[in-house]
Amino acid sequence: EVQLVESGGGLVQPGGTERLSCAVSGFPVVDNYMGWVRQGPGKGLEWVSVIYKGGTTNYADSVKGRFTISRDISKNTIYLQMNSLRVDDTAVYYCASLYCTSATCYIDYWGQGTLVTSSS
Amino acid sequence: SYVLTQPPSVSVAPGKTASITCGGINIGSQSVHWYQQKPGQAPLVIIYTDSDRPSGIPDRFSGSNSGNTATLTISRVEAGDEADYYCQVWESISDHCVFGGGTKLTVL
Repeated sequence: EVQLVESGGGLVQPGGTERLSCAVSGFPVVDNYMGWVRQGPGKGLEWVSVIYKGGTTNYADSVKGRFTISRDISKNTIYLQMNSLRVDDTAVYYCASLYCTSATCYIDYWGQGTLVTSSS
Repeated sequence: SYVLTQPPSVSVAPGKTASITCGGINIGSQSVHWYQQKPGQAPLVIIYTDSDRPSGIPDRFSGSNSGNTATLTISRVEAGDEADYYCQVWESISDHCVFGGGTKLTVL
């Protein structure tokens, strides 16, 4: 059974840092594109970041230079290091597994989400 | 970046058919995926690659995509279908996942 279990999150001061973890079971993280999607309070889904099978990464413009996605293959876990947090980074952060073909990708598995609140 | 436009809300009576649109420039040339999100839950893919359904998704849910509009159709709507629905494409140029703004389906 595939499971994505996030941890981390909570209340962080603006300008602060936080690291989210996503422990994956059911498949090796190196076999899939893995990513993070967030959802602000009462808002829609927003793409944050992806780490490809080969380990390269990509980011939404809104977080580029502040957030870093990474993985630990031995722990089968992916991470999102969030620096210089802003009030508008407040959101539920979902870990996501992507199913990709040569033409497209979609999210086939989601974590339960973890809330990050950036507020003073 | 690529923009997907959805109506904020759609209302439908039980047993009727609901259509939720997703507009984008030449979206018919792309693969569109649809997610259902109920309150307090993570999203769930209900249609992938325009019109395919994952196992376990009822055949009341169907999708189409042509020209500048993709459409999610829900037949014989039930109270349990009340949720937010999001369309999504993968923008190859930027390798970014793009979501529509979401549509809240209300079952009257």
